[in-house]
Amino acid sequence: GQNIDQPTEMTATEGAIVQINCTYQTSGFNGLFWYQQHAGEAPTFLSYNVLDGLEEKGRFSSFLSRSKGYSYLLLKELQMKDSASYLCAVSDSNYQLIWGAGTKLIIKP
Amino acid sequence: NAGVTQTPKFRVLKTGQSMTLLCAQDMNHEYMYWYRQDPGMGLRLIHYSVGEGTTAKGEVPDGYNVSRLKKQNFLLGLESAAPSQTSVYFCASTASGEVETQYFGPGTRLLVL
Repeated sequence: GQNIDQPTEMTATEGAIVQINCTYQTSGFNGLFWYQQHAGEAPTFLSYNVLDGLEEKGRFSSFLSRSKGYSYLLLKELQMKDSASYLCAVSDSNYQLIWGAGTKLIIKP
Repeated sequence: NAGVTQTPKFRVLKTGQSMTLLCAQDMNHEYMYWYRQDPGMGLRLIHYSVGEGTTAKGEVPDGYNVSRLKKQNFLLGLESAAPSQTSVYFCASTASGEVETQYFGPGTRLLVL
């Protein structure tokens, strides 16, 4: 079957760095997405990786290793507004997105 | 440019009642999707459409029907609501079926008593 695993919840301190991991097993791979979802709101796109390596976008970076079925989202200089759930999703062989359950990130002052 | 909109935002139904959720997008996107999101689970695809007049089943289609009569609209119907259909429903759209960012509507919270 297809499976996306990510931690349920993480806590970090304002101004610090946090890494959210995602492992996947899917039928085919056409890229990995990270979305941010604030409580009660819709998911919004953060990043996309299709090749191995690190993609940097401001305070957020995303890494992919296809051979290991592994990705992480790195958030630097954490701000209180970064408190949200972070969703990992993989585009499978049919270009359908398979979603992880999300990681709830709690930022403490 | 409103993006993706959903109607209604919140609804309470009694078991056995029917309703239709409306999704509209103004980005001229070909592909549209209906997901449900439940606590502790990832988004699950209910139905999707690759263009006007076409629909297909996703991962959890039972108990739902859809229609795409116009390119900009995608309707999700519940013919006989059940408590198991209590969820948050998200509509999304994308420009094509290949690797493209999906844009989400604000969601519809449905409670079935």
